[in-house]
Amino acid sequence: ETGVTQSPTHLIKTRGQQVTLRCSSQSGHNTVSWYQQALGQGPQFIFQYYREEENGRGNFPPRFSGLQFPNYSSELNVNALELDDSALYLCASSRDLQETNEKLFFGSGTQLSVL
Amino acid sequence: QKEVEQDPGPLSVPEGAIVSLNCTYSNSAFQYFMWYRQYSRKGPELLMYTYSSGNKEDGRFTAQVDKSSKYISLFIRDSQPSDSATYLCAMAGGFKTIFGAGTRLFVKA
Repeated sequence: ETGVTQSPTHLIKTRGQQVTLRCSSQSGHNTVSWYQQALGQGPQFIFQYYREEENGRGNFPPRFSGLQFPNYSSELNVNALELDDSALYLCASSRDLQETNEKLFFGSGTQLSVL
Repeated sequence: QKEVEQDPGPLSVPEGAIVSLNCTYSNSAFQYFMWYRQYSRKGPELLMYTYSSGNKEDGRFTAQVDKSSKYISLFIRDSQPSDSATYLCAMAGGFKTIFGAGTRLFVKA
């Protein structure tokens, strides 16, 4: 069983640029959630995708957007990067919506630095 | 007021000690309660989850939920240096999981 994989592992961008982060969910999982984790903080919910549709969104501006593909892999796009976007971006998958309440399986994250 | 409050620590204990980690929450809609462990430069991994008040035990770990007080705890018995990590409490209801800030734990050999 393949776990959740994220790419790239590290990324350096400058303010104003755009970035795309990628996530392959665990085999058999159809739900993907994205989280932002600033240094010393817990993960903050960005949004969730279930069967290619956005199923909920946290308190993040519209410049944070996402996609989920038919194979349930997912992308997180961030436009007009700001310095405060520097963080670890985590992708988590779950077998279905109900298991999202109980068990999230996380990737190792993408460390984004905005200069 | 944050939905989930967790003391960030750090908490330093000798090997073999009993560790108590705690969180409080404000949203009565939370129905599921989890503890995740996060090692440095890794994603969180699920330790335990429960959806009812009371205790749940798994090896050296015991999760305790008191819904009336909106308070959850994780106890680690016979702590080991390999338990050194950040422990995140998490709560869910409506398919969105909210995390605490995490408590950094150091277990000294």
